[in-house]
Amino acid sequence: ELTQPPSVSVSPGQTARITCSGDALSKRYAHWYQQKSGQAPVLVIHEDTKRPSGIPERFSGSSSGTVATLSITGAQVEDEGDYYCNSGDSSGNHWVFGGGTKVTVL
Amino acid sequence: EVQLVQSGAEVKKPGESLKISCKGSGYTFTTYWIGWVRQMPGKGLEWMGIIYPGDSDTTYSPSFQGQVTMSADKSITTAYLQWNSLKASDSAIYYCARHGRGYCSGDRCSPSGMDVWGQGTTVTVSS
Repeated sequence: ELTQPPSVSVSPGQTARITCSGDALSKRYAHWYQQKSGQAPVLVIHEDTKRPSGIPERFSGSSSGTVATLSITGAQVEDEGDYYCNSGDSSGNHWVFGGGTKVTVL
Repeated sequence: EVQLVQSGAEVKKPGESLKISCKGSGYTFTTYWIGWVRQMPGKGLEWMGIIYPGDSDTTYSPSFQGQVTMSADKSITTAYLQWNSLKASDSAIYYCARHGRGYCSGDRCSPSGMDVWGQGTTVTVSS
C-alpha cells in the first residue's frame, strides 16, 4: 500500500513537495505520474529520480527509507493536476498506485 | 513515434460482454509489458494487471482476478481487456500503458514505470 497526502497547495514559483510512503519503497523504486483534467496520465519521474525526456527540469524525485518524494521547484500554474506514485513488488508483476495528490498552484 | 491507441467509447447493458483493445506501434511490441489501469468517475488510478505480449504471461490484481481477462495478439501488436458479464460498477475509463524496462536478462526485462499510455477507453454500463 502507498500513501499520499490528498492535496498540496503552493503559490507560483514556490516548491511543491508530494510524499509517497510505503514499506515496499525501502526495496522498490517509486514512479510518479501527472494527470491533468480529462487527460491520460504522464510519467514524470521513474526509478525514484530519473526524469523522462521532455519532462521539465523543475520536476525531481528522491527517496529515503520508506518515503519517496516528488518535488516541483518553481511550480507553475500549468503544473496543476493530480499526481500519483506507484511501485511494483519484487517479481515486478504486482503493482499498486498511491491514492493521488491534487496539486493546486495559485 | 511510440504510441498506444485504444478503441473507442462503449455503452453497454448489464450482463453484456465487451472486449476493448490497445494497439501498440513504434516499438517491439513483444518485449515490453503492458499494464491495464481503471479509473472510476472522480477517483484515482487502480492497477488491474499486466501482460507480456511475447508469451501472454499474465498477472492480475487480486481485486480484478476472475472479473476480467487480458490477452494479446502479437501478430497485430494489440492487447485486449475483456468482460464476460458487465456490471454497472464496471463503468470507468480504462487505460493501457507500456511498462518501461527494468532489470533485463537476455531478451526479457522486468517491468518498470509506465512510460507510454493509451488515450483511455470510456466504458459506460447502464440499463
